[in-house]
Amino acid sequence: DGGITQSPKYLFRKEGQNVTLSCEQNLNHDAMYWYRQDPGQGLRLIYYSQIVNDFQKGDIAEGYSVSREKKESFPLTVTSAQKNPTAFYLCASTRQAGSPLHFGNGTRLTVT
Amino acid sequence: AQSVTQPDIHITVSEGASLELRCNYSYGATPYLFWYVQSPGQGLQLLLKYFSGDTLVQGIKGFEAEFKRSQSSFNLRKPSVHWSDAAEYFCAVGLNSGQNFVFGPGTRLSVLP
Repeated sequence: DGGITQSPKYLFRKEGQNVTLSCEQNLNHDAMYWYRQDPGQGLRLIYYSQIVNDFQKGDIAEGYSVSREKKESFPLTVTSAQKNPTAFYLCASTRQAGSPLHFGNGTRLTVT
Repeated sequence: AQSVTQPDIHITVSEGASLELRCNYSYGATPYLFWYVQSPGQGLQLLLKYFSGDTLVQGIKGFEAEFKRSQSSFNLRKPSVHWSDAAEYFCAVGLNSGQNFVFGPGTRLSVLP
């Protein structure tokens, strides 16, 4: 079955370290997204990519970086510049504008 | 700017009771509308979507939603709630360009036995 795989499910890092979250999809979707979710808050868009080798900042891009070298993959790096990195991170993809988003099961990142 | 509001942060209903979760949006054109459900520690699952046509749409798990253009609303309903429906529910607007999606803040549903 097609879907989105996020790994790992739980990730622990020390403050000051960069960490990369993986997101892979086999849905043949062009567009991919990264969202951050904090307790009691909705989804906030970090970055999105509508085509390979192109991506755009979302509402809270500071302290994050992405790459889109392959259609299937959209890794997110949480850098040491991100002041409050502890959160639940969701990756999503969609076939085209207006089509529903498909979500992965998320990665919970804890930085101490 | 486009926005989605879900006026109820938390709703508690008894098992077997009916449910209505409210969603209002602000968008210049007729939007694509979605409802998602999220269980703790999981991703979001699509419940239903509205693109055009019949304003009453049926989704999975016995949910339905009604699009009312005059009220800019897309409320989610279920006639009889099950304990397994306890989760967080998100309303979302799909756009034709740019970031493509705007999400509401979510409504947490608790179900009493």
